[in-house]
Amino acid sequence: DGGITQSPKYLFRKEGQNVTLSCEQNLNHDAMYWYRQDPGQGLRLIYYSQIVNDFQKGDIAEGYSVSREKKESFPLTVTSAQKNPTAFYLCASSSGPGQNYGYTFGSGTRLTVV
Amino acid sequence: AQTVTQSQPEMSVQEAETVTLSCTYDTSESNYYLFWYKQPPSRQMILVIRQEAYKQQNATENRFSVNFQKAAKSFSLKISDSQLGDTAMYFCAFNSQGGSEKLVFGKGTKLTVNP
Repeated sequence: DGGITQSPKYLFRKEGQNVTLSCEQNLNHDAMYWYRQDPGQGLRLIYYSQIVNDFQKGDIAEGYSVSREKKESFPLTVTSAQKNPTAFYLCASSSGPGQNYGYTFGSGTRLTVV
Repeated sequence: AQTVTQSQPEMSVQEAETVTLSCTYDTSESNYYLFWYKQPPSRQMILVIRQEAYKQQNATENRFSVNFQKAAKSFSLKISDSQLGDTAMYFCAFNSQGGSEKLVFGKGTKLTVNP
């Protein structure tokens, strides 16, 4: 079955470390997105990509970086510059502009700074 | 910029009863899409229902229906015959027709269905 796979499910980071969250989809979707979820804040957009080798900053991109070298993959790196990285991270994909059927989401990664 | 407001942080309903979750949005566009997503305790986001702004008919999906009032920029979700499995966070979301197709989410309503 097609879907989005996020890994790991739980991730622990020490202060000053960079960590990378994986997101892979086999839906043949063009667009992919990273959201951060905090209690009472809803979902906030970090980065998105509408095509391979291209991506744009979302509303809270500071301290994060992404790459889109393959259509299927959109990894998110949480850098040491992100001051408060503890959160739940959701990856999503969609078929792209003009195909507005909403997003398909992964099951999320819970990142905790220790 | 578009904004989505959900004014009810928490709601509760008795099993088998009907509940309505509110959502308002702000946009200058004439055509767009609106969505309701459900996030149960598993945290998996699930699309509940979708509405295209140019369609006047309200969308329905089984026990879920919407009341779309374009002039008032209101998009409420009605859940009929509430079930324990409906307990979840519910997010309203807005998406413009063209452009970047970013979804803008409200902050969510936590719904609890009581037995």
